[in-house]
Amino acid sequence: ETGVTQSPTHLIKTRGQQVTLRCSSQSGHNTVSWYQQALGQGPQFIFQYYREEENGRGNFPPRFSGLQFPNYSSELNVNALELDDSALYLCASGKQGAYSEAFFGQGTRLTVV
Amino acid sequence: AQTVTQSQPEMSVQEAETVTLSCTYDTSESDYYLFWYKQPPSRQMILVIRQEAYKQQNATENRFSVNFQKAAKSFSLKISDSQLGDAAMYFCAYRDTNAGKSTFGDGTTLTVKP
Repeated sequence: ETGVTQSPTHLIKTRGQQVTLRCSSQSGHNTVSWYQQALGQGPQFIFQYYREEENGRGNFPPRFSGLQFPNYSSELNVNALELDDSALYLCASGKQGAYSEAFFGQGTRLTVV
Repeated sequence: AQTVTQSQPEMSVQEAETVTLSCTYDTSESDYYLFWYKQPPSRQMILVIRQEAYKQQNATENRFSVNFQKAAKSFSLKISDSQLGDAAMYFCAYRDTNAGKSTFGDGTTLTVKP
């Protein structure tokens, strides 16, 4: 166990809807990153938050947004869902520093129909 | 942009034997970090081993070791005395020094045969 939990574990949404995914990190972790993992592929970086501010973003449109809270929890919000958004969404938390270990949650499997 | 390539979609190994998973990457940076992660069917990504690019010595963690060839931009993972519990998807990842982003390969599925 990594101490990072994500909810829900599975979710089915309809195209055009909005979704919020949640991640609860370990105490003391001041960074959280979100990744999208399509079936059979490696995780793709969406963005990172450090001390509640966005601190880097991958090649994802603005309808992907996030929040990080002082209580070590975070959210990934996706608006106007598209079929291609169907994937496993992973959050990873840790302490700031490139060599720091990132602790991953078990992911949320999102299916858009 | 950095890229990570894992050229072996699937590998298999007999229990107790040794297997090597390949990874190459492309970057113009001189300082960076490399990681191997294991993702079992439970989906939770677990760090296996990590390497700092400025360290020439290859990292080792128990049965897991790497062969880091900086000039060739190669970072392979060797698993010795393979165990059934090693069966999983293995991902190679690159992270630059600003720590904002990790770039992953597409993974290698490792099967361990009893």
